[in-house]
Amino acid sequence: ETGVTQTPRHLVMGMTNKKSLKCEQHLGHNAMYWYKQSAKKPLELMFVYSLEERVENNSVPSRFSPECPNSSHLFLHLHTLQPEDSALYLCASSQVTSSGSRSYNEQFFGPGTRLTVL
Amino acid sequence: AQTVTQSQPEMSVQEAETVTLSCTYDTSESDYYLFWYKQPPSRQMILVIRQEAYKQQNATENRFSVNFQKAAKSFSLKISDSQLGDAAMYFCAYRGIQGAQKLVFGQGTRLTINP
Repeated sequence: ETGVTQTPRHLVMGMTNKKSLKCEQHLGHNAMYWYKQSAKKPLELMFVYSLEERVENNSVPSRFSPECPNSSHLFLHLHTLQPEDSALYLCASSQVTSSGSRSYNEQFFGPGTRLTVL
Repeated sequence: AQTVTQSQPEMSVQEAETVTLSCTYDTSESDYYLFWYKQPPSRQMILVIRQEAYKQQNATENRFSVNFQKAAKSFSLKISDSQLGDAAMYFCAYRGIQGAQKLVFGQGTRLTINP
């Protein structure tokens, strides 16, 4: 496997279900991100983990629960979702350098999980 | 807060022609990075080109180039000799220097290439 992988690629779930999205990066990066991509809306940043510590939670409802057990893996645990949560969920990773050191720190994206909540 | 605006929801161009996608942004920071990402129908978002705000020279990557106008806060993408494989959603994105390295994206422009 190379780059950033996500499983599953498609997920259909009821509002009472509990499911998890998985992301794995094979790039040796130290930061990982969850984005939500809804139709006709800009990508929305949900969570940022840097060095396995959550550094940003962008006002995401508590029915979304992220987990970063190590620098290569990122999960998004889902429970009691709403139909409006149906979207493409993208994972990304980057190498964050120390402050004062210039770097593009570009983010590499996975293929996404298409989530449908019934 | 920073915002990124792409005012063209859809664009189309004839194969082998040149097309320019527009992007404007708003920020109070003086130093930052700008990116263009491409999302083909397969959905994998890939980086097309990037620009550091402190560099006056416009970035170029093969057929892709940008017109970076810092004072106007404009960052357009020019695609020369358009190819069928260029068909995709194109997203302009902003990232500040400090903080959590978050990207702020525009709404995207869907580019169609006509054979």
